[in-house]
Amino acid sequence: KAGVTQTPRYLIKTRGQQVTLSCSPISGHRSVSWYQQTPGQGLQFLFEYFSETQRNKGNFPGRFSGRQFSNSRSEMNVSTLELGDSALYLCASSQEGTSGNTIYFGEGSWLTVV
Amino acid sequence: DAKTTQPPSMDCAEGRAANLPCNHSTISGNEYVYWYRQIHSQGPQYIIHGLKNNETNEMASLIITEDRKSSTLILPHATLRDTAVYYCIVYGSSNTGKLIFGQGTTLQVKP
Repeated sequence: KAGVTQTPRYLIKTRGQQVTLSCSPISGHRSVSWYQQTPGQGLQFLFEYFSETQRNKGNFPGRFSGRQFSNSRSEMNVSTLELGDSALYLCASSQEGTSGNTIYFGEGSWLTVV
Repeated sequence: DAKTTQPPSMDCAEGRAANLPCNHSTISGNEYVYWYRQIHSQGPQYIIHGLKNNETNEMASLIITEDRKSSTLILPHATLRDTAVYYCIVYGSSNTGKLIFGQGTTLQVKP
């Protein structure tokens, strides 16, 4: 079956713009999490959604937001982009998000802010 | 902060078993041990996870000590394609979708 799909794979934005990234989880998975990966900070958790509700949130400013749709697909948005937002953004999905679930990652979206 | 401690780097000869250790001395009873690996510029790849029994799949084996304070990931016959950063993560339901990644172990498989 298809894995976690993220679009777009690569994008370049200008400071001050906003960006929306999309994630399609594995069929049947209702939990979707987002992560940011940078060389300096490593992999950091942004937020998690389950059945259209945000259940958990990392320590990121309010410029980072997300949502989940009724079909479990998720989007994340970053407004007023800063140079430091350049990163690999990863989406992960699992059936329930509970311990013991297998959690799969997508290939990520590479965002460059210039 | 990550609840695991891993050596920053390890080498392994191609064709030999790679044994990657992980310490998780503060693990709680309902927390699982997960292993992922990440090859440069790709998303983390799920390898295996377990609670207290040893686990094996087509990729690797996971050995968890009886006191659950440490574990070892075993790649039985390492190939050059196994060169990657390996992450050991402790995950419980209270984390609610949040995997906490440490610095991981960079495994270099050499010919």
